[in-house]
Amino acid sequence: DQQVKQNSPSLSVQEGRISILNCDYTNSMFDYFLWYKKYPAEGPTFLISISSIKDKNEDGRFTVFLNKSAKHLSLHIVPSQPGDSAVYFCAATYGGATNKLIFGTGTLLAVQP
Amino acid sequence: SQTIHQWPATLVQPVGSPLSLECTVEGTSNPNLYWYRQAAGRGLQLLFYSVGIGQISSEVPQNLSASRPQDRQFILSSKKLLLSDSGFYLCAWRLTGSSYNSPLHFGNGTRLTVT
Repeated sequence: DQQVKQNSPSLSVQEGRISILNCDYTNSMFDYFLWYKKYPAEGPTFLISISSIKDKNEDGRFTVFLNKSAKHLSLHIVPSQPGDSAVYFCAATYGGATNKLIFGTGTLLAVQP
Repeated sequence: SQTIHQWPATLVQPVGSPLSLECTVEGTSNPNLYWYRQAAGRGLQLLFYSVGIGQISSEVPQNLSASRPQDRQFILSSKKLLLSDSGFYLCAWRLTGSSYNSPLHFGNGTRLTVT
């Protein structure tokens, strides 16, 4: 049962354009969402997060949008840079999840120079 | 500052052989510790987590076990590896007492190939 889904396994974007990575979830108890970035042969690193009481959180070139009614969130990267090329994981949790983060399957972003 | 060490980086083991992956955290006391696995085409799956020495919670039934013999040491083991145990194993930590939504910090992982 995949509670967090990233339906696009890969995405290719031109440098300078916007990258939009999508994530859907099924568990309505999730109230906090995180995005992680992962380079090959490295562990994921935390990128940005959003609480369910918000619908947008911005940090520099990265913005996360949350649509609770649709159980959907997205990560926008503007402008995209070649160094952004990595796998991006969406994760979700809630207070009753006893320390657990539930991850999606990841989206491989390739930013073309 | 806190750091997490995980080794080995890569490992090739035959089916039926034992496994021991080690993870240590420096710069903090009594961290919450986690083992995740990324199998081909799948997301990061939580295998085990620990909130203290000797305290292990298992998330999925499987061929693996975990132990926490010391405060900042977390070990993933198997007595007999299966082909399906191949994957990328990640250790992670979080400050004890931190909020449930605080980020996890991951090690660089171990690529395990069972042949």
